[in-house]
Amino acid sequence: AQTVTQSQPEMSVQEAETVTLSCTYDTSESNYYLFWYKQPPSRQMILVIRQEAYKQQNATENRFSVNFQKAAKSFSLKISDSQLGDTAMYFCAFMNINNDMRFGAGTRLTVKP
Amino acid sequence: DVKVTQSSRYLVKRTGEKVFLECVQDMDHENMFWYRQDPGLGLRLIYFSYDVKMKEKGDIPEGYSVSREKKERFSLILESASTNQTSMYLCASSQVGDATNEKLFFGSGTQLSVL
Repeated sequence: AQTVTQSQPEMSVQEAETVTLSCTYDTSESNYYLFWYKQPPSRQMILVIRQEAYKQQNATENRFSVNFQKAAKSFSLKISDSQLGDTAMYFCAFMNINNDMRFGAGTRLTVKP
Repeated sequence: DVKVTQSSRYLVKRTGEKVFLECVQDMDHENMFWYRQDPGLGLRLIYFSYDVKMKEKGDIPEGYSVSREKKERFSLILESASTNQTSMYLCASSQVGDATNEKLFFGSGTQLSVL
């Protein structure tokens, strides 16, 4: 089975600054999808950003962008202009073409005023 | 918007009880999933189902079973609850074959405490 590793259990950033969350994964498949999900205190999992492995261009969604390095099996999330509402658990996830999704252990991000 | 509904937000049960966690989705998705979330371990897949009456074991199926009699409903069953099954349980669903929109839709979770 695929494995996903998030090496930063906790991070903090000052409001309006930029922070990068790390994620690496292990797979032998060539076609797959990568995700970052956010889980605020409400517990609802919210999709932040999604990347198809066959696309070389890094995905962006407003203040959120990824650095996808397929050869290195790395998928980091950059949050620009951090806001207090970004405080949450962030999970990196890998999904194969059969919709089998596996998650990392999560990074707890705190945005400080 | 897709809605995935878990029947209980909080549940307290006693050791040895049979526990049912229910999940319903309203978008006719083929795939449904049960995950368990524990601090420091992230989300771990218990079981998933890709069609009615079909099921596949995930990474941690021991102590759990599932039922999918109707497409919209996926139940997780703890045959004899134990304290080590105290956890947050998340249900999810997804649509097969939508290559431009592959992702999971999640319920809001059930926090189960087994005393």
